[in-house]
Amino acid sequence: GQNIDQPTEMTATEGAIVQINCTYQTSGFNGLFWYQQHAGEAPTFLSYNVLDGLEEKGRFSSFLSRSKGYSYLLLKELQMKDSASYLCAVLDSNYQLIWGAGTKLIIKP
Amino acid sequence: GAVVSQHPSRVICKSGTSVKIECRSLDFQATTMFWYRQFPKQSLMLMATSNEGSKATYEQGVEKDKFLINHASLTLSTLTVTSAHPEDSSFYICSARDEGGGGDTEAFFGQGTRLTVV
Repeated sequence: GQNIDQPTEMTATEGAIVQINCTYQTSGFNGLFWYQQHAGEAPTFLSYNVLDGLEEKGRFSSFLSRSKGYSYLLLKELQMKDSASYLCAVLDSNYQLIWGAGTKLIIKP
Repeated sequence: GAVVSQHPSRVICKSGTSVKIECRSLDFQATTMFWYRQFPKQSLMLMATSNEGSKATYEQGVEKDKFLINHASLTLSTLTVTSAHPEDSSFYICSARDEGGGGDTEAFFGQGTRLTVV
């Protein structure tokens, strides 16, 4: 079966760095997405990785290792507004998005 | 960037009535759109894949006669929740991929519709 694992909840301090991990087992791979979702709102796109390595976008970076079925989202200089759920999703061989359950990130002052 | 517009953002309806939710791709054509449902504190669940000009493909356990999907044009898909019941109260989100040239497969989401059935 297809499976995506990420931690249910993480807590970090304002101004610090946090890494949210995601491991996946899917039928085929056409890319991995990270989305941010605030409570009651639709997800918003953060990053897309299809090749191994690190993609940096401002305070957010995303890393992919296809051989390990592993990705992480790195958030630097955390702000209170970064408190949200972070969703990992993989595009499988049929171009269907397979979603993780999301990681709730709590930022403390 | 590409935008997907979903309407309405919130709707409250009486039990037994039907509700239509629209999903439009504003600056790109989408032959395929996806409809998701999210219950509180749970992940997004794919309900169906909407295909322009043909029947939608429903995920297992989703009643196609209850959740009617119409994808009549390359920029519009609609989801109609028929004979809604309180257990249908949920957050419904549509998504479309900009399948235009360049191989970009980023998925864009509508704003979501919070349906409350009373």
